[in-house]
Amino acid sequence: DAKTTQPPSMDCAEGRAANLPCNHSTISGNEYVYWYRQIHSQGPQYIIHGLKNNETNEMASLIITEDRKSSTLILPHATLRDTAVYYCIVRGNTDKLIFGTGTRLQVFP
Amino acid sequence: DAGVIQSPRHEVTEMGQEVTLRCKPISGHNSLFWYRQTMMRGLELLIYFNNNVPIDDSGMPEDRFSAKMPNASFSTLKIQPSEPRDSAVYFCASSLPRGLEETQYFGPGTRLLVL
Repeated sequence: DAKTTQPPSMDCAEGRAANLPCNHSTISGNEYVYWYRQIHSQGPQYIIHGLKNNETNEMASLIITEDRKSSTLILPHATLRDTAVYYCIVRGNTDKLIFGTGTRLQVFP
Repeated sequence: DAGVIQSPRHEVTEMGQEVTLRCKPISGHNSLFWYRQTMMRGLELLIYFNNNVPIDDSGMPEDRFSAKMPNASFSTLKIQPSEPRDSAVYFCASSLPRGLEETQYFGPGTRLLVL
């Protein structure tokens, strides 16, 4: 599976959009981009995934560049409860998820 | 649905003792995963099962660790003998077959402290 690179930490004001970047320059054609988050002391929680088209659900939007070498997770209106570690994962034809170190997002009032 | 259920939620034991962690996956899910999380190593996949059969145990650290899934609704992760370096949070996750749904649902974890 391709490796991902994320900034270790980010801050965001409550009510503003949080844009979390992820680089996956070695991604191959059949690999999906997944995002999970882990709120303190809880198990990871699925957010969204995509292959090459942009995706949106009730939690977030996922923007994947045309060359698929990077993506951005967007939380349109961040709240204090969105404070968590966000993991970007590239997953191929496997059941396995390989978690990196993620981005620690701090939402402040 | 109750989600993935893990027990115990907290375990404190002494070095050398046997530890058994339990997991009940979401009903109808046929894949089950055991992860371990520490500050030093992050979140690591230990082993996973499909239809109760172990598929990949390459993440199991050593022979002291063993996992079983005797039926579709129950799995155990056993450490014998336990060591202080096994202290971590152990998560269980379950999912439907890949292609039907892509989401792994995680349990609340078991916090293990080995003294």
